[in-house]
Amino acid sequence: SAVISQKPSRDICQRGTSLTIQCQVDSQVTMMFWYRQQPGQSLTLIATANQGSEATYESGFVIDKFPISRPNLTFSTLTVSNMSPEDSSIYLCSVEFGYEQYFGPGTRLTVT
Amino acid sequence: KQEVTQIPAALSVPEGENLVLNCSFTDSAIYNLQWFRQDPGKGLTSLLLIQSSQREQTSGRLNASLDKSSGRSTLYIAASQPGDSATYLCAVRGANTGFQKLVFGTGTRLLVSP
Repeated sequence: SAVISQKPSRDICQRGTSLTIQCQVDSQVTMMFWYRQQPGQSLTLIATANQGSEATYESGFVIDKFPISRPNLTFSTLTVSNMSPEDSSIYLCSVEFGYEQYFGPGTRLTVT
Repeated sequence: KQEVTQIPAALSVPEGENLVLNCSFTDSAIYNLQWFRQDPGKGLTSLLLIQSSQREQTSGRLNASLDKSSGRSTLYIAASQPGDSATYLCAVRGANTGFQKLVFGTGTRLLVSP
């Protein structure tokens, strides 16, 4: 199994600013995933991050808005840039380990 | 395109009842299916993982079944308790959407009353 931690757990940010979310895993993993869960909705994959290469973004998500870093095999960051109220969501870091998906506790972001 | 639907969207039962949550998917070419629990404002907790070659998995009071040919999975919760109140999500890992990508269902919000 894998244990995932995220920081911050929640934040309230002003429109136009940026927030960087950190994700730490207790095991080395090849790929890390970032998901978004908008209020009352299910989860949507934002991007997949491999160590040493650029992240792969899903349709509807772009690097300028959601830049991702993956400096090593246990850590990743997701930045939400130039935020608007529509970015208010829970952002979740995830890894696949032994064919099973594990999720961090999430970061609840509110943009005012 | 894989689509995953969960029925019902919400369910309210008294404590002690046995209940069934349903998950259906449109593309039967899957690697596995996973059931999660999500408490309000929190992350996801993995409950059960069923590989495509398996028919069911059990963990305590939970039993999940998989019928790949019909594109269905069910999560059976026996003797429900108030602590089971949460949103339950199913997700499939599809052969045609890429192994890395999980496609999530819409969720079933469960409330178990004491």
